Amino acid sequence: AQTVTQSQPEMSVQEAETVTLSCTYDTSESDYYLFWYKQPPSRQMILVIRQEAYKQQNATENRFSVNFQKAAKSFSLKISDSQLGDAAMYFCAFVPYFGNEKLTFGTGTRLTIIP
Amino acid sequence: EAEVAQSPRYKITEKSQAVAFWCDPISGHATLYWYRQILGQGPELLVQFQDESVVDDSQLPKDRFSAERLKGVDSTLKIQPAELGDSAMYLCASSLRTSGNTIYFGEGSWLTVV
Repeated sequence: AQTVTQSQPEMSVQEAETVTLSCTYDTSESDYYLFWYKQPPSRQMILVIRQEAYKQQNATENRFSVNFQKAAKSFSLKISDSQLGDAAMYFCAFVPYFGNEKLTFGTGTRLTIIP
Repeated sequence: EAEVAQSPRYKITEKSQAVAFWCDPISGHATLYWYRQILGQGPELLVQFQDESVVDDSQLPKDRFSAERLKGVDSTLKIQPAELGDSAMYLCASSLRTSGNTIYFGEGSWLTVV
């Protein structure tokens, strides 16, 4: 069974600054996908970024980038130039490449943006 | 942009009553998921469908919960009888059949059991 751990229940950052959210996972799979999802208050969960485990290059989406360390089973999210709209719960999630595609979530990190 | 539709958005029900949630996935998405998210926690999978077949319902409390996707399109999740501990958000999500495809979520249905 896979587990996903987010050790930071809450984080805060000044607007326009950079913040890094941590995620570690445990799996015996060699092929898998990792995701960061964002859930604003009372809004739907939306995908921020995804990483294929077989790719060495870290994924980037505009101001969002990841630091994927496969050997360490670490998958952190960096948000650059933080904006007020980035305030949300952020969930790290894992799904194996093979099997029934069960997505396993971490417990989330609540990000507050300080104006 | 296509979205996963869910209804109702909010539901308050008394303990021991029945409640049902409906989900319409993105057109063409063969895989449909129901997740439960307790406030302050990450979502947990209740049931997963591939077309009309259940592929994982290991975490579904089958004594009171049921889910169906009769024609392989929309789905209904039912709770009967509801208990206080069922208060949570029920998220529906869908994805294409291919492994590794992104899973798209609906806005969720908030359930409060009083």
